[in-house]
Amino acid sequence: DTGVSQDPRHKITKRGQNVTFRCDPISEHNRLYWYRQTLGQGPEFLTYFQNEAQLEKSRLLSDRFSAERPKGSFSTLEIQRTEQGDSAMYLCASSRTNQPQHFGDGTRLSIL
Amino acid sequence: EDQVTQSPEALRLQEGESSSLNCSYTVSGLRGLFWYRQDPGKGPEFLFTLYSAGEEKEKERLKATLTKKESFLHITAPKPEDSATYLCAVQAGRGATNKLIFGTGTLLAVQP
Repeated sequence: DTGVSQDPRHKITKRGQNVTFRCDPISEHNRLYWYRQTLGQGPEFLTYFQNEAQLEKSRLLSDRFSAERPKGSFSTLEIQRTEQGDSAMYLCASSRTNQPQHFGDGTRLSIL
Repeated sequence: EDQVTQSPEALRLQEGESSSLNCSYTVSGLRGLFWYRQDPGKGPEFLFTLYSAGEEKEKERLKATLTKKESFLHITAPKPEDSATYLCAVQAGRGATNKLIFGTGTLLAVQP
């Protein structure tokens, strides 16, 4: 396994701008998850895909957030009109069905 | 509401000084309890999954146990390289949810 890959590792943007993050899961993992982690806290669930279908979304995922997994492989998470409160580490994880989730090293978002 | 509480928040040990980290949970229908290790600036690294009370898992100096209300991560004769944040998470509910609910972690520092 090459591990879960996330790009970019760091993103600095001005408030109000749109940002997009990419996640490449471990190959053959059919499930993909997005979490958000702030300093001193554990990761909080955002959304989950099985293959290309988005099956669950958290109430944390406001209308400004959208996630896609168009071909059941990589996924993108877009945040529109960023706000100060969006500053966090965005983590992606993948798994096989009923197997543990394996995480990438995240994208750290800083809003100026 | 499903909840995970970890204690202590921080723990400082001397090299070789064994100790335990606690994870207590209140969930409706536990499907699995997970332990992860997280180094600064990295994503969580999977350690163990426990499914039922009485279950135990071991890996090197780490041993995880599970009861109906809590889990312990025992660290035997720790080394400085064991220093990290240890996160506990649960997967709960009888529906289709696959999200992990995390605690806030225990920051472990092992001094030589």
